[in-house]
Amino acid sequence: DAGVIQSPRHEVTEMGQEVTLRCKPISGHDYLFWYRQTMMRGLELLIYFNNNVPIDDSGMPEDRFSAKMPNASFSTLKIQPSEPRDSAVYFCASSLHSTNTEAFFGQGTRLTVV
Amino acid sequence: AQSVSQHNHHVILSEAASLELGCNYSYGGTVNLFWYVQYPGQHLQLLLKYFSGDPLVKGIKGFEAEFIKSKFSFNLRKPSVQWSDTAEYFCAVNAPGSGNTGKLIFGQGTTLQVKP
Repeated sequence: DAGVIQSPRHEVTEMGQEVTLRCKPISGHDYLFWYRQTMMRGLELLIYFNNNVPIDDSGMPEDRFSAKMPNASFSTLKIQPSEPRDSAVYFCASSLHSTNTEAFFGQGTRLTVV
Repeated sequence: AQSVSQHNHHVILSEAASLELGCNYSYGGTVNLFWYVQYPGQHLQLLLKYFSGDPLVKGIKGFEAEFIKSKFSFNLRKPSVQWSDTAEYFCAVNAPGSGNTGKLIFGQGTTLQVKP
């Protein structure tokens, strides 16, 4: 398996624009997670899905953020409208329902909002 | 609420020096514990994990960690670092039982710089 695949790797956008980040989890994994990494707050969980259903979105900072998982092999994180403080690295991770395996992370999307 | 504290924010070592990075967590129940590494510009990779059993866990690239339940600690060690170990290291905790090992609370990270 190619691992967790995220796109784009880098995104630069102007304030107010819509941004969509994409993630393809590892095939067969039933959990998908979106994390955000910033200098100020470190790594924090935004939302996660189990079998394509959002389970916990308490980490989503504002209504401007939304995430979907239309099928087992694809998820999106959308920011609309984007603001400079949204600049961060966004990681997607996936894991298998198990008591002894870890989560696998994608390469991340570095978002810069100017 | 669970939290993870990494004591060292920035560590600078010379090659061949020994490494110990501290990690403490706050959670009253049983936990799964992880150390992830992030090389410059790359994604997080698992170094090692503890779920149960032997509290001394060996990971990749010569790293090991010891779970001390009474101290709520999971310190990372390596006897002799190399320049290629320059990276950011994250300790993370997860509450087990649900089969969901990806819902992680991360520490703030420790940046390790190894001088050749």
